[in-house]
Amino acid sequence: QVQLVQSGAEVKKPGSSVKVSCKASGGTFSSYAISWVRQAPGQGLEWMGGIIPIFGTANYAQKFQGRVTITADESTSTAYMELSSLRSEDTAVYYCARGRSITMIEDAFDIWGQGTMVTVSS
Amino acid sequence: EIVLTQSPGTLSLSPGERATLSCRASQSVSSSYLAWYQQKPGQAPRLLIYGASSRATGIPDRFSGSGSGTDFTLTISRLEPEDFAVYYCQQYGSSPQLTFGGGTKVEIK
Repeated sequence: QVQLVQSGAEVKKPGSSVKVSCKASGGTFSSYAISWVRQAPGQGLEWMGGIIPIFGTANYAQKFQGRVTITADESTSTAYMELSSLRSEDTAVYYCARGRSITMIEDAFDIWGQGTMVTVSS
Repeated sequence: EIVLTQSPGTLSLSPGERATLSCRASQSVSSSYLAWYQQKPGQAPRLLIYGASSRATGIPDRFSGSGSGTDFTLTISRLEPEDFAVYYCQQYGSSPQLTFGGGTKVEIK
């Protein structure tokens, strides 16, 4: 059974960047899309973008275009999400999630990481 | 971007009762690419339903999904104590803008 394990909590200053990792174990990594979804405290879910590791190109939500970069390293079965120009509104739990079907970014997510809390504060 | 509106915001019910949750889309969701998730405090979301009506692996049959076009419903036939949580719908038919609804909280009456 595939598991996604994310890196630990981060505290960042406004204007800086954060890079969160998501390591897959126990199954196929390269053919399934990994997306990033965030959740601000007490709020709903927001899709940021996703990548299919075997293809290497990412799709991004319009809201985050130019500020987020999603990459994947097939050799270590790890996906990354880097968010730049951080502001207080970016304080949230960031989840990675795997799509159900191979080679589809826009998909339902059947496996989720445990979440990474990113706090942006001066 | 397709906007998903969930109603009601909060549903107060007792164990054993039937829960009916609504998700309405601002435009038609192609190929019924609509999913439902359950989220409990401090946990990641859990996939319940995909393709509007297919149950995900391991999901009890008291959970069912229906609908097409712009109107979708999640029904929990008889609420168990572990079903009190927040539920989100998600559309994934609009590339590349995948969106979630604002959520419905099912609380114990």
